Amino acid sequence: NAGVMQNPRHLVRRRGQEARLRCSPMKGHSHVYWYRQLPEEGLKFMVYLQKENIIDESGMPKERFSAEFPKEGPSILRIQQVVRGDSAAYFCASSPRTTGVPNYGYTFGSGTRLTVV
Amino acid sequence: QKEVEQDPGPLSVPEGAIVSLNCTYSNSAFQYFMWYRQYSRKGPELLMYTYSSGNKEDGRFTAQVDKSSKYISLFIRDSQPSDSATYLCAMTPGNQFYFGTGTSLTVIP
Repeated sequence: NAGVMQNPRHLVRRRGQEARLRCSPMKGHSHVYWYRQLPEEGLKFMVYLQKENIIDESGMPKERFSAEFPKEGPSILRIQQVVRGDSAAYFCASSPRTTGVPNYGYTFGSGTRLTVV
Repeated sequence: QKEVEQDPGPLSVPEGAIVSLNCTYSNSAFQYFMWYRQYSRKGPELLMYTYSSGNKEDGRFTAQVDKSSKYISLFIRDSQPSDSATYLCAMTPGNQFYFGTGTSLTVIP
């Protein structure tokens, strides 16, 4: 039973390009969460999705960022017209259901490290 | 004011030492308190969690929550070089998780 799979592990983009980050949740998990980790700032919640629905995007920047979790396939975090400040590690977590209780299986992937040059 | 405050360290201790890691928070609605361990270039992995105030022990690890002071701690006894990692506290009122910035720990053999 593979864990949460994120790809690519490393992504380099020039300013102005688009970045697409993929997250395949654990088998049986239908809830996906995206977090961004900046140096000195810790993990920051971005968005929470279920299949075909955005449940909470309160942590998502209003412009250039979007996320989806289609019926088939991985969840995608899309960053348009990237800027240097977007350089960070982006982590995805999945759970089998809505949970604030950790032992329900809120599992993180290994992250995608985005570098904007 | 940040929701969760955590001293980033770095913290360096000799093998066998007792390590104390701490976080403070401001939101009284937080009910679940967690500690994650993150090795370099890896995602966070859940180490321990507690609900509301009190202590919880798991092997060499003890988590304490004091809701009246809005203060949580993680103690590591008999620290090992393999404990070298970044430790993040996290807490939630029941949905979104709020993380500390993480404390970098190095245990020197």
